[in-house]
Amino acid sequence: DGGITQSPKYLFRKEGQNVTLSCEQNLNHDAMYWYRQDPGQGLRLIYYSQIVNDFQKGDIAEGYSVSREKKESFPLTVTSAQKNPTAFYLCASSASQETQYFGPGTRLLVL
Amino acid sequence: GENVEQHPSTLSVQEGDSAVIKCTYSDSASNYFPWYKQELGKRPQLIIDIRSNVGEKKDQRIAVTLNKTAKHFSLHITETQPEDSAVYFCAASNPRGAGNQFYFGTGTSLTVIP
Repeated sequence: DGGITQSPKYLFRKEGQNVTLSCEQNLNHDAMYWYRQDPGQGLRLIYYSQIVNDFQKGDIAEGYSVSREKKESFPLTVTSAQKNPTAFYLCASSASQETQYFGPGTRLLVL
Repeated sequence: GENVEQHPSTLSVQEGDSAVIKCTYSDSASNYFPWYKQELGKRPQLIIDIRSNVGEKKDQRIAVTLNKTAKHFSLHITETQPEDSAVYFCAASNPRGAGNQFYFGTGTSLTVIP
């Protein structure tokens, strides 16, 4: 999982602002995922992408958007429509039918 | 869709004792079951996994068992040490076409008391 990076480590969002979280991997994995983790909670799937230029909504996609223009990159935008964005965001990647490996996470806080 | 339940939510054991965490799943099509360990503020890290064609797998002090008929799988940690203290997540993988969506349990916070 050292091949997955996320930035920034901490991100502050102002009211009505869109913010973008970066996720990059050099593992040559086809699939990439975004999860949200609230304190004391499990992992909830936001979006996932199996191949470049294709992605699907997860369980809590409302208020979020993604793109997958390159195999290595899967950025997540938290839009102003997401009214409760404070959480720990984890990106993961996997080779087909194999386990997921996680990035170090981005902690998003609202000012 | 798949539903994964995990118990207990918190677990405290004395150092040297064993710890057992149990998960159940609902979709018989799930065929891959990883366990992750997450230390405070860090990323989840894979500690052991099992596929549906195997009933048990062991790696030093950690073992996982799978009962496909009952749709449950368990993590066993023997001779626990303080560094085993963390949150543990189980997951079930339900393949959809070329993808591999994971469904996670809600986590077990394990505390090993020195």
